[in-house]
Amino acid sequence: AQSVTQLDSQVPVFEEAPVELRCNYSSSVSVYLFWYVQYPNQGLQLLLKYLSGSTLVKGINGFEAEFNKSQTSFHLRKPSVHISDTAEYFCAVTEGGGFKTIFGAGTRLFVKA
Amino acid sequence: DTGVSQDPRHKITKRGQNVTFRCDPISEHNRLYWYRQTLGQGPEFLTYFQNEAQLEKSRLLSDRFSAERPKGSFSTLEIQRTEQGDSAMYLCASSLRQGIYNSPLHFGNGTRLTVT
Repeated sequence: AQSVTQLDSQVPVFEEAPVELRCNYSSSVSVYLFWYVQYPNQGLQLLLKYLSGSTLVKGINGFEAEFNKSQTSFHLRKPSVHISDTAEYFCAVTEGGGFKTIFGAGTRLFVKA
Repeated sequence: DTGVSQDPRHKITKRGQNVTFRCDPISEHNRLYWYRQTLGQGPEFLTYFQNEAQLEKSRLLSDRFSAERPKGSFSTLEIQRTEQGDSAMYLCASSLRQGIYNSPLHFGNGTRLTVT
């Protein structure tokens, strides 16, 4: 069965600094990978997805993530963060052809002025 | 595309009472999911429907929980004899299954349940 580990529960960072949120997954089959963002008092929104093809995927708000099959990782990056990026970020995995999406515990990104 | 809507947004109930939540998915989506999210955790899968058929239930879902999706449209999640441990955010999501492709989940804003 698939599982997701987000290695950092909280990441404080100064505005305009780069950030990386780490995600590792385990699965015995091919996977689809996702990052979702949850702003305070809002529902989860899709940030980006990897289904197949290029291992570097770009999402909304300047975020990108790289799928590394050998390291079973899907880390999220942004070269320069804004105060408005403060939110909870969730990594998620669906096994190829499957129906169930499993989420990590989340990483709280806190951007300081 | 009006998005996934959930009702109510908040529900406060006393231990032992029954509660029912409603979810209206995106109209063309044939899959509907229920998740539960507690503070500091990611969403945990509860159950899902393909059209009107409930195809899997998580072991997290005790016999006090029941979900329906009559006619493959909206869905309801009922919790009977609520317990304080049921306090959580209940999230509904929908997606479109076409062949082997499953679109990403689209989430509603959730129903926050507080059991006193």
